[in-house]
Amino acid sequence: QVQLVQSGAEVKKPGASVKVSCKASGYTFTGYLIQWVRQAPGQGLQCMGWINPNSGGTNYAQQFQGRVTMTRDTSISTAYMELSGLRSDDTAVYYCAKGRGSDYWGQGTLVTVSS
Amino acid sequence: DIVMTQTPLSSPVTLGQPASISCRSSQNLVHSDGNTYLSWLQQRPGQPPRLLIYKISNRFSGVPDRFSGSGAGTDFTLKISRVEAEDVGVYYCMQATQFPFTFGPGTKVDIK
Repeated sequence: QVQLVQSGAEVKKPGASVKVSCKASGYTFTGYLIQWVRQAPGQGLQCMGWINPNSGGTNYAQQFQGRVTMTRDTSISTAYMELSGLRSDDTAVYYCAKGRGSDYWGQGTLVTVSS
Repeated sequence: DIVMTQTPLSSPVTLGQPASISCRSSQNLVHSDGNTYLSWLQQRPGQPPRLLIYKISNRFSGVPDRFSGSGAGTDFTLKISRVEAEDVGVYYCMQATQFPFTFGPGTKVDIK
């Protein structure tokens, strides 16, 4: 069965960076985009961008350009999202999702930014 | 960016009664490949989103047939034929036709 398993919760200070992982199983990792979406507390869903695990190509939403880096390691079917220059309003649950259709989602990773 | 709007934002429903959510996009969602990448997601409290419907009207694996999607172009609808207790949550429409993919604000469905 398809699964996306994300890394655990993080607490970071303002200005720091965080790197969240998303390990895929149950399907061909290189066959589908991995999308990253975040959800601030009590808020809706916001697309951060995607990575093509086959080529490594990325597409970042303008709001995050310059601060976000998405990478992958095909040998372990894992995608990564690194966000730098953290601010308090980056406190959110970060999700990975499979494919353009977002048919499977990770369980989410809570990132708390606090001094 | 394509802006997605939803109505209503809140929908108290009686168990066993139907519910309907509308979603409108600021641009036509037909992709150059001929597909319309409009999906509906359900998010139960404390859970990640779950795909219900993709490409307007296709139910995802395991989704009960009381959920149905329809529409075209810029106007789309999600219908629940008979609401059950497990349907409580927030429902989002999402477009993946044009990057960045964008979501509606969400419609909260709860039981009267």
